[in-house]
Amino acid sequence: LAKTTQPISMDSYEGQEVNITCSHNNIATNDYITWYQQFPSQGPRFIIQGYKTKVTNEVASLFIPADRKSSTLSLPRVSLSDTAVYYCLVGALFSGGYNKLIFGAGTRLAVHP
Amino acid sequence: DADVTQTPRNRITKTGKRIMLECSQTKGHDRMYWYRQDPGLGLRLIYYSFDVKDINKGEISDGYSVSRQAQAKFSLSLESAIPNQTALYFCATSGSNRDRDTDTQYFGPGTRLTVL
Repeated sequence: LAKTTQPISMDSYEGQEVNITCSHNNIATNDYITWYQQFPSQGPRFIIQGYKTKVTNEVASLFIPADRKSSTLSLPRVSLSDTAVYYCLVGALFSGGYNKLIFGAGTRLAVHP
Repeated sequence: DADVTQTPRNRITKTGKRIMLECSQTKGHDRMYWYRQDPGLGLRLIYYSFDVKDINKGEISDGYSVSRQAQAKFSLSLESAIPNQTALYFCATSGSNRDRDTDTQYFGPGTRLTVL
């Protein structure tokens, strides 16, 4: 089971870069790493996904080292609206079933003025 | 995501009642999921369906059942609701051609269920 470990909470200020690291020591060969964002009383929303090295899109970057045992979500210049819970998810369709699609408690990010 | 809808959005019921939560999607996805979320916790997978004829139990299926009436519809039932099933329930879909190998999920707005 690809268990993930993230910090429970983080605090930041507007305009700063925020890096949230997720540990997934027993990641399988076919597993992708996906990050979701969730606002209160809303469903999680896809942010970014990667397999190895670095992925960047319009909202975030994802850094994955060569051993893939961890990953870091990087949010550049956060604003108050980035206050949310961020989940790291490890799994894939062909890697052993959906029991691997388990959301942990996530990281609660609070952005302050 | 407006392409995934859930009804009702809120429901209060009593212990022992049968409850059905419905999910519809217009994304054309073949895979659908039901999750529950308890306050301050992450999501836990209840059931998932690869297509109309393929339904599988997730992490916490006891006390729940599902029905995949069509590719676009996936319902969750609580046959006899109990108070510890009070939670926020989310439906999700995945599986467009582009995402087939990476399983990106798209979530509905959630149903807040309270069992008294």
